Amino acid sequence: AQSVTQPDIHITVSEGASLELRCNYSYGATPYLFWYVQSPGQGLQLLLKYFSGDTLVQGIKGFEAEFKRSQSSFNLRKPSVHWSDAAEYFCAVDDYKLSFGAGTTVTVRA
Amino acid sequence: NAGVTQTPKFQVLKTGQSMTLQCAQDMNHNSMYWYRQDPGMGLRLIYYSASEGTTDKGEVPNGYNVSRLNKREFSLRLESAAPSQTSVYFCASRSRQGAKNIQYFGAGTRLSVL
Repeated sequence: AQSVTQPDIHITVSEGASLELRCNYSYGATPYLFWYVQSPGQGLQLLLKYFSGDTLVQGIKGFEAEFKRSQSSFNLRKPSVHWSDAAEYFCAVDDYKLSFGAGTTVTVRA
Repeated sequence: NAGVTQTPKFQVLKTGQSMTLQCAQDMNHNSMYWYRQDPGMGLRLIYYSASEGTTDKGEVPNGYNVSRLNKREFSLRLESAAPSQTSVYFCASRSRQGAKNIQYFGAGTRLSVL
């Protein structure tokens, strides 16, 4: 069965600093991978997706993620964090349903 | 452009009460889903409907029932609410069942069972 692990429960980063969120997946076939963001009290918004092809994918809000099959990882990055990036981030792998990681909460300090 | 609409946004129930969470989408999607979100556990699938007229259990279906009323609407019913069902519930939809189709989420229903 597919599963997703997000090793970091909480990350604090300074505004303007870089951010990297880790995601490891377990899936037998070619994975379809997603990153979603959830602002406090809101629903989930899709940041980016990987289906196939180029292993570096660009998303909205300046985010990118790199798919590494050899490491079963799909880490999310942003070069310079803004205060509005404070949110919870979920990695997910898709088969007939989405399987989510437990999420990483990002706090941005001034 | 409403997308996925959930009602109500907040609800407080007493143990043993029943209620129905409503979900409607206006994107002409075939597949719809109900998830619950609990701290430290991400989102877990309760039930889904791959197409109108079909429903299937997900990861955590116990204590819930669903109805795919028509193509637009997919409701989730708690027959006898328990404190363990205190959670945030999300409805989602996508054009059709299949991993390359993006799921779109509603804003959620925050449910407390006392």
